[in-house]
Amino acid sequence: DVKVTQSSRYLVKRTGEKVFLECVQDMDHENMFWYRQDPGLGLRLIYFSYDVKMKEKGDIPEGYSVSREKKERFSLILESASTNQTSMYLCASSPAGNSYNEQFFGPGTRLTVL
Amino acid sequence: LAKTTQPISMDSYEGQEVNITCSHNNIATNDYITWYQQFPSQGPRFIIQGYKTKVTNEVASLFIPADRKSSTLSLPRVSLSDTAVYYCLVGDRNTGRRALTFGSGTRLQVQP
Repeated sequence: DVKVTQSSRYLVKRTGEKVFLECVQDMDHENMFWYRQDPGLGLRLIYFSYDVKMKEKGDIPEGYSVSREKKERFSLILESASTNQTSMYLCASSPAGNSYNEQFFGPGTRLTVL
Repeated sequence: LAKTTQPISMDSYEGQEVNITCSHNNIATNDYITWYQQFPSQGPRFIIQGYKTKVTNEVASLFIPADRKSSTLSLPRVSLSDTAVYYCLVGDRNTGRRALTFGSGTRLQVQP
């Protein structure tokens, strides 16, 4: 069974802290994505990666960075967490070719920044 | 990417057929229509994808008229476990690496 796992389901951090969200997929997918989901706004793309060490900005990259050192792992980094980054963070992966193929999502990390 | 419009919420009862319609007036020639389902506290899950006419799988059917400006997701005989948010997405399968653009979706509530 295909799987995307995220390091934490719930996380509470303080303003100004550096936060790492980890995502691992076991499907050998080339593409990986980070979204955030907020009520009334749907899912919004933060960053995505189509290969190891490659990354591209999504719609809302400000305040975030990413790292993809290995194919199966894609990390989202909040350099200095702020309260407006309180959200549900979703990681997804898909095979190479195009991202309108089926994307597989992880369970999400609900981050609260105090 | 083509913008989509779908109802904010729908209510149904167990055993009924549910049809959720999505408008995408600006759909482009190369765009496909994809539907995802999201349960509370979970990530979205792919349901079905189509280009024109009708597509059916073990979960749902997707009806797309000839002008492709709308599409209808049909869920036969829903159960309580079909209570979820359903997202309609439109985009070009051949653009490569383009991520999904989700709207606010349709919240389906199935009552006993």
